[in-house]
Amino acid sequence: DAKTTQPTSMDCAEGRAANLPCNHSTISGNEYVYWYRQIHSQGPQYIIHGLKNNETNEMASLIITEDRKSSTLILPHATLRDTAVYYCIVRENKAAGNKLTFGGGTRVLVKP
Amino acid sequence: EPEVTQTPSHQVTQMGQEVILRCVPISNHLYFYWYRQILGQKVEFLVSFYNNEISEKSEIFDDQFSVERPDGSNFTLKIRSTKLEDSAMYFCASSGIGFNQPQHFGDGTRLSIL
Repeated sequence: DAKTTQPTSMDCAEGRAANLPCNHSTISGNEYVYWYRQIHSQGPQYIIHGLKNNETNEMASLIITEDRKSSTLILPHATLRDTAVYYCIVRENKAAGNKLTFGGGTRVLVKP
Repeated sequence: EPEVTQTPSHQVTQMGQEVILRCVPISNHLYFYWYRQILGQKVEFLVSFYNNEISEKSEIFDDQFSVERPDGSNFTLKIRSTKLEDSAMYFCASSGIGFNQPQHFGDGTRLSIL
């Protein structure tokens, strides 16, 4: 089973920041937090991942709390094309090859 | 940007028939995966593959399923005798060597069993 808890759905306004929360209270020291999204009829798309430091890339920022029990994905300026299901996944730090366990995710609707 | 490609995009097959789903992973990736998503349900892990061997498989990946890397570019999933419940989207993914390399997914093959 997925080790994360996310809101089922949320709306956000186009052009505004979207803040997507995720709880992972049972995360262990060697597990990373990954975020993926799935736009309708497409495969999951990698967004960002992190261990304990905040991370930023061209798509989003990831804020991880100091105790690592929760995190927030921030889409700085949401567009209509950001409408998707967003998945927060914890994944063991291994050399490679370990699976992703998807939960139900958060269905994000960006409104004009 | 390099991407994972899957063919066909949609496969319709009679129950009991064999089906092969094809994937071309990102060229310098060495870990390969198959996942599936039944309509309206979660994305589920099927199998991971490295160095011509299965690394891990789920309970879903029973004897009806097999994977193969027949050449240097393709990665295939074969279902030997399809069942109605095999109808789903099948996603291929690949990742590079090294710690915490993210998996990159293709856009899937929609498999419809009649």
